[in-house]
This record gives sequence, C-alpha cells and structure tokens, in this order.
Amino acid sequence: AQSVAQPEDQVNVAEGNPLTVKCTYSVSGNPYLFWYVQYPNRGLQFLLKYITGDNLVKGSYGFEAEFNKSQTSFHLKKPSALVSDSALYFCAVRVPISGNTPLVFGKGTRLSVIA
Amino acid sequence: DTAVSQTPKYLVTQMGNDKSIKCEQNLGHDTMYWYKQDSKKFLKIMFSYNNKELIINETVPNRFSPKSPDKAHLNLHINSLELGDSAVYFCASSHLAGSSYNEQFFGPGTRLTVL
Repeated sequence: AQSVAQPEDQVNVAEGNPLTVKCTYSVSGNPYLFWYVQYPNRGLQFLLKYITGDNLVKGSYGFEAEFNKSQTSFHLKKPSALVSDSALYFCAVRVPISGNTPLVFGKGTRLSVIA
Repeated sequence: DTAVSQTPKYLVTQMGNDKSIKCEQNLGHDTMYWYKQDSKKFLKIMFSYNNKELIINETVPNRFSPKSPDKAHLNLHINSLELGDSAVYFCASSHLAGSSYNEQFFGPGTRLTVL
C-alpha cells in the first residue's frame, strides 16, 4: 500500500529565509509525487509534480522540490519565503499501475511565514 | 470562470436528513473525484468516476451515493446524515485516459455541518 508522511505539523520561518517542508513516501514501484497548497477556506491548488527525469522539479510561486529515491523523499523548498506563502501544504503520491489508483495525501504541514 | 464549482458552499442540517452536494467542471476533464477533509485537515478519497463510470470506491458507508449524469458533473447524495459526516467535501477533476500523473483540480469545498 502506498503512503505519505509529512513529519512536521507546523513549520515556522521568517520572511526572506529559505523554507523546507518535508515529505517521505512509501510505495511499491516508482511513484508519481505531487505537492498541493491549501489557503484558508479554499480548495487545494496544484504546485508541482515529479513524474520522471530531472530530480529537481520547479513549480508555481517559486517553489521547487527534489526527488530523492534513495531517501524516498520529496521535500518542498523555496529560497526566500513570503508572508503570502503561509498556508497548509500537502504532499501526495500515486502509483502508476493503472488509472484507477487513488492519490494518497499526507496529513498536511501548516507553514507560517512571519514578517 | 470557475474551473471546478461546488454547491452549496455551506450546508447545515439535522441528523437523519438526506442532502446532496453538486459539482461541475468546465475543464473538459474525463475524471472526477470526491474527497472528504476531516476536522484535522486529513484528506481522503471517497469516489472517482471516469467517463461516468465508477472507478474508485473507497470504504465509504453506503449512505453515500455518487452520481455522474455526464462527464462534467459529479454529485454526492448522503442519506441519513450522522454527526460524523460533518466535514469539508471537495470535488476534483483531472484528465485520466490511462495517465495517473495528471494533476487534479479542486473545487472550493462544501462545509457540511450535521447537528
């Protein structure tokens, strides 16, 4: 069974500092990995995904994530945090066996960027 | 032009009632999903339809019945509502067509409160 772990419930960072939101996964086979962001009282928005190829993936709003197969991780990063980045971040995994495998989400990490 | 829309946004009802939530997408996607987000923000797939055919049906009580009249719509009907059904329900859509790497687009959510 596939699963995703986001070990931190909350990440606090000062504006302008780099941020990292951690994600590790457990699957049989090669995963498709995703990051989504949820602003208060809103639906989830897609940020970026890893399918294959270059391990460093760039996404929306200056975010990037690095796929590390040996550590089974897909941490989300941004070089310089903005207050507007404060939101709930979800890592998700899907196994490309067939089209009807569900997208499995982590429990989410709340990012708070302090001015 | 909202890509994935849900109605209603808020739903407050008594235990034992029957209610429906509607979802529509104008993205031309062939796959739609229902997710439940509980009070701890944990997000879990409930159902998925591809071209009006049910392809994912997680362990959800049979009081929940999805219906897809066409590819652009996926409604969720809930019978005999219980207190534990209180949550935010998100609709999402994506291109599937055998490709599980496509990102999903989420609606704004419906906050269901059962009293």
